[in-house]
Amino acid sequence: DAKTTQPPSMDCAEGRAANLPCNHSTISGNEYVYWYRQIHSQGPQYIIHGLKNNETNEMASLIITEDRKSSTLILPHATLRDTAVYYCIVGDDKIIFGKGTRLHILP
Amino acid sequence: NAGVMQNPRHLVRRRGQEARLRCSPMKGHSHVYWYRQLPEEGLKFMVYLQKENIIDESGMPKERFSAEFPKEGPSILRIQQVVRGDSAAYFCASSRGQIYGYTFGSGTRLTVV
Repeated sequence: DAKTTQPPSMDCAEGRAANLPCNHSTISGNEYVYWYRQIHSQGPQYIIHGLKNNETNEMASLIITEDRKSSTLILPHATLRDTAVYYCIVGDDKIIFGKGTRLHILP
Repeated sequence: NAGVMQNPRHLVRRRGQEARLRCSPMKGHSHVYWYRQLPEEGLKFMVYLQKENIIDESGMPKERFSAEFPKEGPSILRIQQVVRGDSAAYFCASSRGQIYGYTFGSGTRLTVV
C-alpha cells in the first residue's frame, strides 16, 4: 500500500503557482520522497525527488518539512500542459503508486 | 540518448494466445521495473529486475506471467494464455539504482479479444 496521503483533486489557474501537498507521516530515515506525474494515458514522468533538503530543478521545487512528515511540490507557473495526475511516493526501493492528485489547470 | 523503449505500442491477442512485451532500458540503466495499469485504475507494481536476476516479483500474478532481463537484449514480460482481464497498459521503467528516479517508457497497450 502507498505510504502517502494526497488530496484527490485540485484546481489551479493558468500562470499561477500550483502547490501540491503530500503527507507521509510514517516515512523512515532512509526513504526518499519522489514526485511523478501521468498526463492522460502516457507513461509516468519523473519530476523531482529529495531526502531532507529542499530541491529545485527545471520543472518544479520540492519543499520537505524539517520532520520529513510532509512535503509540497511547487509548479511555479502552471500551464494547461501541466494538467495531470501527480503522485507523491516515498520509498527506498521499488516505487508504489497511490491514487495521486488530479490537478486541473484552469484557463 | 534514447529513452526507455517499449514495443510493440499496441498488441492485440486472442484469448489463449501468448503476449510478449519488450522493454529496452536507457543506456547505463541496469534496473528495470514493470507496472500494469488497468483501464481507469492506478499503476500497479509487478516486478523489479536487474541483469539476469529477479529482485522483487511480489506484484506478479502467480500464474501465466513471467519476466526476464537477460544479460544481452531487452527485458521481456511474458503472459501466457491471455484472458480478457489481462487487457491493460503495461509500462516499463528503468533506473541507475534504487535511489534514483525512474524513466518510464510509453507503454504497451494489450487488448485481448
